[in-house]
Amino acid sequence: ETGVTQSPTHLIKTRGQQVTLRCSSQSGHNTVSWYQQALGQGPQFIFQYYREEENGRGNFPPRFSGLQFPNYSSELNVNALELDDSALYLCASSQDRQETQYFGPGTRLLVL
Amino acid sequence: QKEVEQDPGPLSVPEGAIVSLNCTYSNSAFQYFMWYRQYSRKGPELLMYTYSSGNKEDGRFTAQVDKSSKYISLFIRDSQPSDSATYLCAMSEGGGSEKLVFGKGMKLTVNP
Repeated sequence: ETGVTQSPTHLIKTRGQQVTLRCSSQSGHNTVSWYQQALGQGPQFIFQYYREEENGRGNFPPRFSGLQFPNYSSELNVNALELDDSALYLCASSQDRQETQYFGPGTRLLVL
Repeated sequence: QKEVEQDPGPLSVPEGAIVSLNCTYSNSAFQYFMWYRQYSRKGPELLMYTYSSGNKEDGRFTAQVDKSSKYISLFIRDSQPSDSATYLCAMSEGGGSEKLVFGKGMKLTVNP
C-alpha cells in the first residue's frame, strides 16, 4: 500500500509569484485535506476535497485554491505569494468515516 | 482566544520517565480528540483517537478526555529516546477524517 506522497519536497519562490503543490492520496482514499504549518505552529486547515468537490474551507484567502482529480490526487495553488506563505504544506488523505487522516511528508515553501 | 491551546514546551525528560502532555479547548462542539506525533521533517502520524469523554490505553500511551473541563491529556509511560518528537493535539466536530483543529505542538526530548 503506497502512502501519501507530495511534490516537490522543497520550493523557493519570490513574492508575487504563483506556486502549485501536488499530492497523491493513499490508495482507496477519496478525501484530501490541505494544511499549512508555519514554523513552530500546529497545522492549520486550508480546505478539503471529497470526490472532486470542495468540502469545507478554513480561514484562508481566495488566492489559495485547489483541485482534486478523478484519481483523487490533488493540487494546491497559491497566487500572489506573500512572505507569510512560507511554511510546510501538508496533504492528508482519508476515506469516508475513517478515524484518521494519513499525512504526507509535506512541501516546504520559502517565499523571498 | 485560540480554539485549542497547547503549551509548546520544549520538554526534556530522562529515559523511563512518565510524560504528561495537555491541551485545553474552547469549542464545545468538538467530539473527536486525537494525538499526533511528528518527527522532524515528516508529516504527523496518528497516535491516539478518542470519541467524547473517557480514557483510552494503547501500550505505553494513555489518552484522557474531560469534556466538562474542556481538557485532554496524553500520558507516555516508560518514555524512550525514540519518543523524542513533537506531539500535537487535534480535535474535530465530525470525526477524524473531517477538518482538524490542531494545538501548537509540544516538542519532547527523551534523554538516554
